[in-house]
Amino acid sequence: DVKVTQSSRYLVKRTGEKVFLECVQDMDHENMFWYRQDPGLGLRLIYFSYDVKMKEKGDIPEGYSVSREKKERFSLILESASTNQTSMYLCASSLPRRSSGANVLTFGAGSRLTVL
Amino acid sequence: QQQVKQSPQSLIVQKGGISIINCAYENTAFDYFPWYQQFPGKGPALLIAIRPDVSEKKEGRFTISFNKSAKQFSLHIMDSQPGDSATYFCAASIRTGFQKLVFGTGTRLLVSP
Repeated sequence: DVKVTQSSRYLVKRTGEKVFLECVQDMDHENMFWYRQDPGLGLRLIYFSYDVKMKEKGDIPEGYSVSREKKERFSLILESASTNQTSMYLCASSLPRRSSGANVLTFGAGSRLTVL
Repeated sequence: QQQVKQSPQSLIVQKGGISIINCAYENTAFDYFPWYQQFPGKGPALLIAIRPDVSEKKEGRFTISFNKSAKQFSLHIMDSQPGDSATYFCAASIRTGFQKLVFGTGTRLLVSP
């Protein structure tokens, strides 16, 4: 079974702390994504990556950065956490666009971050 | 800006009833419309999807109806069951180029026994 694993299910951090959210997929997918999910706002794309060391800004990249040093791992970094970054963070992966399953996102279970 | 508008925000349906969730989009370049289902504590998972060359797609009790001229699509859940209680997200993307999905705001469905 296709799997996307987010290492931390729940995190509590203080304002100004640096936060790393890790995501690993075991499907050899080329595309990886970070979304945040907030009530009433749905899923909003923060960053995505279509290859190792490649990254593209999504719709709400401010305050975030990402790292993709290996194909299976995509990290979301909050350089200086703020209270408005309290949210559920979802990682996803998909096949490249040339593949028949390219439009299907496989999501992890999410990381709920609280910034105090 | 919200490119995919979803309604209602929440929905309560009796067991055996029909659940209907609606979405409207603005970008006429969208050509792929999936629905994702999310149970508490889990990530969203693809439920059913449609391309605009058909007006309806059915998979079991789940049906997508698509109206290209109105730029609207909807999810119908027939014979709704308590196990269908979840949050549902519609989405849209463009197949060519990088397939970035744009999601609706979600509908929390509760099917009462």
